Amino acid sequence: QLQLHESGPGLVRPSETLSLTCIVSGDSINNANHLWGWVRQAPGKGLEWITTIYYNGDTYLNPSFRSRVIVSLDTSANQVSLRLRYVTAADTATYFCAKHPTGETRRGAFDTWGQGTMVTVSS
Amino acid sequence: DIHMTQSPSSLSASVGDTVTITCRASQSVGTYLHWYLQKPGKAPKLLIYAASNLESGVPSRLSGSGSGTDFTLTISSLQPEDFATYYCQQTYGPSTFGQGTNLEVK
Repeated sequence: QLQLHESGPGLVRPSETLSLTCIVSGDSINNANHLWGWVRQAPGKGLEWITTIYYNGDTYLNPSFRSRVIVSLDTSANQVSLRLRYVTAADTATYFCAKHPTGETRRGAFDTWGQGTMVTVSS
Repeated sequence: DIHMTQSPSSLSASVGDTVTITCRASQSVGTYLHWYLQKPGKAPKLLIYAASNLESGVPSRLSGSGSGTDFTLTISSLQPEDFATYYCQQTYGPSTFGQGTNLEVK
């Protein structure tokens, strides 16, 4: 059974770079049937899609983050990484890793989620 | 960006009731529309994909409909586990979510 587990620093200082990892177990991130995404949720707020990456490196970005986000795959560790640069207090949120299948049937719906990791941006 | 608007933002109901949540897109998204449930402190859970398809394991008393710009999620015979926050998501363009609908016990 596919499982996702996010990890991160917990606390990041303003203007620094936030680095998160999503360890994938139960399947390979090289599986061409999956895409891997990041979604965040500020405290008490709604969900916000950040980015999605395919096994071949094709990347899709929320235009709101385009200049600050780097997403990558580490096949040796079977994990997906997210880096968010120049963070501010507005980036304080729980960050979720999620998977959606390829193909038209599911049409991009995220069917598997990690439990999320909370990140606070503060000096 | 495609803006998603859910209504109502909050809803009070009782066990056994039937409720409907609507989601409207600022432009057509075809059937690239999905519904999630989220409980406090938990990750979202996929309920309905592609507007009307029930995710495996989701009870049949939930149903989704719509296409283009207007969509609905209907929950019949509400159960205690249904009280949560519901989100719609479009994946036609760069993905966006609705603001959420908080379904609470009356």
